Amino acid sequence: ETGVTQTPRHLVMGMTNKKSLKCEQHLGHNAMYWYKQSAKKPLELMFVYSLEERVENNSVPSRFSPECPNSSHLFLHLHTLQPEDSALYLCASSHKLRSYNEQFFGPGTRLTVL
Amino acid sequence: GDSVTQMEGPVTLSEEAFLTINCTYTATGYPSLFWYVQYPGEGLQLLLKATKADDKGSNKGFEATYRKETTSFHLEKGSVQVSDSAVYFCALSVPGAGSYQLTFGKGTKLSVIP
Repeated sequence: ETGVTQTPRHLVMGMTNKKSLKCEQHLGHNAMYWYKQSAKKPLELMFVYSLEERVENNSVPSRFSPECPNSSHLFLHLHTLQPEDSALYLCASSHKLRSYNEQFFGPGTRLTVL
Repeated sequence: GDSVTQMEGPVTLSEEAFLTINCTYTATGYPSLFWYVQYPGEGLQLLLKATKADDKGSNKGFEATYRKETTSFHLEKGSVQVSDSAVYFCALSVPGAGSYQLTFGKGTKLSVIP
């Protein structure tokens, strides 16, 4: 248990559906992250929030829309996804945005797009 | 750009065998180096880290030494257990703008058999 929870753990959706992934951290951290983990590829950083402001958007398609209503919660809203978006989506948090700070990861949401 | 190269898996070892997972990096600045571990069905957890040359990170019997001259951060353990079966990721981050960005290797899957 790392102090970062994600729901749902598994999600199957069609290409026309709209769904949301939720992440919550109980560590009092100021920074939160969304990563995509695909088979045979390195983890890809998607979005970074610091103190509820987005500081990074790594050329992610607009069909992924993040939301950070407060420093403890992070959402990833999904709509009109493609089958190639099927992956494990990991949320992480850290105390601050520093290179030496450990990032704490949630267990991930396994997303399948049909 | 920054990158991490780690040995491709999978690696299969017998219990009590010696483990080495090689990791080399290229970085534009002076990076912090990390090893993360992902157990089945879970998110990533920090295993150990080192923030300057010749530092040795250690945890749970695992060790890695920051070698600036060879740009390496190889992971070692003297005697592996079945419970060490997981995927291991080498990662770096560089101080400065975007310093929160972790650049990951592709991961090395370790299976330890009794």
